[in-house]
Amino acid sequence: NAGVMQNPRHLVRRRGQEARLRCSPMKGHSHVYWYRQLPEEGLKFMVYLQKENIIDESGMPKERFSAEFPKEGPSILRIQQVVRGDSAAYFCASREGGNTEAFFGQGTRLTVV
Amino acid sequence: GQQLNQSPQSMFIQEGEDVSMNCTSSSIFNTWLWYKQDPGEGPVLLIALYKAGELTSNGRLTAQFGITRKDSFLNISASIPSDVGIYFCAVLRGSARQLTFGSGTQLTVLP
Repeated sequence: NAGVMQNPRHLVRRRGQEARLRCSPMKGHSHVYWYRQLPEEGLKFMVYLQKENIIDESGMPKERFSAEFPKEGPSILRIQQVVRGDSAAYFCASREGGNTEAFFGQGTRLTVV
Repeated sequence: GQQLNQSPQSMFIQEGEDVSMNCTSSSIFNTWLWYKQDPGEGPVLLIALYKAGELTSNGRLTAQFGITRKDSFLNISASIPSDVGIYFCAVLRGSARQLTFGSGTQLTVLP
């Protein structure tokens, strides 16, 4: 059973371009969380999704950021018109329903130049 | 706002020493999770706790779910260099099971 898979591991974008980060949850997991982390800092919650639904997007900026978790395929975190301040590590975690533990992917390190 | 208070923020210990860190909250939770993050990697689940008073071990790691359900601690015995990293506590909050993290404890093990 493969773990949570994130790709790409590293992404470089020029200012103004779009960044698409993918997260394939573990098999059977229908809950996905996205977090952002700056160097030497903690995990900042962005968005929580279940299949085809956004449960909580309170940590995600209203502009330029969007997330989806379709019925088929990976969850996508999309950042439009990236700026230098978007440079960070983005992690996703997945879990089954109920009171089950969550497992993380290896993260995508976004660098905006 | 931040609902979990994790302490200490950082620790410097000698190899071989034991270390303890904890998380507290004003709210009651049914699940406590402890993760470790190595530099450049994603957090890895160490221990999951589901019952108040539960004491669970994973090798040199021991974690307890506080009896009030408002706190948890993690102990590491006989520390080794590879214990270096950031340790996070986390809870599943609310009916939607929002995964909420503490601010982390940065552990440095000195040879």
